[in-house]
Amino acid sequence: KAGVTQTPRYLIKTRGQQVTLSCSPISGHRSVSWYQQTPGQGLQFLFEYFSETQRNKGNFPGRFSGRQFSNSRSEMNVSTLELGDSALYLCASSLGGTGSGTEAFFGQGTRLTVV
Amino acid sequence: DQQVKQNSPSLSVQEGRISILNCDYTNSMFDYFLWYKKYPAEGPTFLISISSIKDKNEDGRFTVFLNKSAKHLSLHIVPSQPGDSAVYFCAALHSGTYKYIFGTGTRLKVLA
Repeated sequence: KAGVTQTPRYLIKTRGQQVTLSCSPISGHRSVSWYQQTPGQGLQFLFEYFSETQRNKGNFPGRFSGRQFSNSRSEMNVSTLELGDSALYLCASSLGGTGSGTEAFFGQGTRLTVV
Repeated sequence: DQQVKQNSPSLSVQEGRISILNCDYTNSMFDYFLWYKKYPAEGPTFLISISSIKDKNEDGRFTVFLNKSAKHLSLHIVPSQPGDSAVYFCAALHSGTYKYIFGTGTRLKVLA
């Protein structure tokens, strides 16, 4: 069973540009979440999608957006990039239920560097 | 407002001994707790979880204990192995919110 796949693995962008990151969840998983990890900050929740609907959103500016497609694949977009957006962006998938089956499985992440 | 806290940024343990990683939380609505292990430049790997209706869950060398009255959970690794050296994150979930809240991690170093 394939794991969570994130593309690209590494990305370098300049300030002001926009970027789109992609995530393919584990087959059968309908929930996809996105997290930002920066040194010393742990994993900060960006948003969660289930069946193409955003169910929750973290405290990030509107420059961060996402969407989910009918095949559960998800994309995350960041517009007008800032230096502080440099981070490891992680995608996690889960069945989307409650209790058992709630475990989220992470992809390898996309390392975004803004210069 | 850090709802999930890992107050020890690092921990060193001798190979073969027990590693105990701690996590405290503030939100009594959390109903599911998870531990993840992370190597540099990789995504977190799920280790073990526990529902709020239980106080212990065991999987091989890993045991998670939950003390709801103290809002505290811990991960015990016995015996510790050098390959266990990584950053460990605890995470909490309030099912109705669909989002995991992570602690800031504890770096475990197991010395050979």
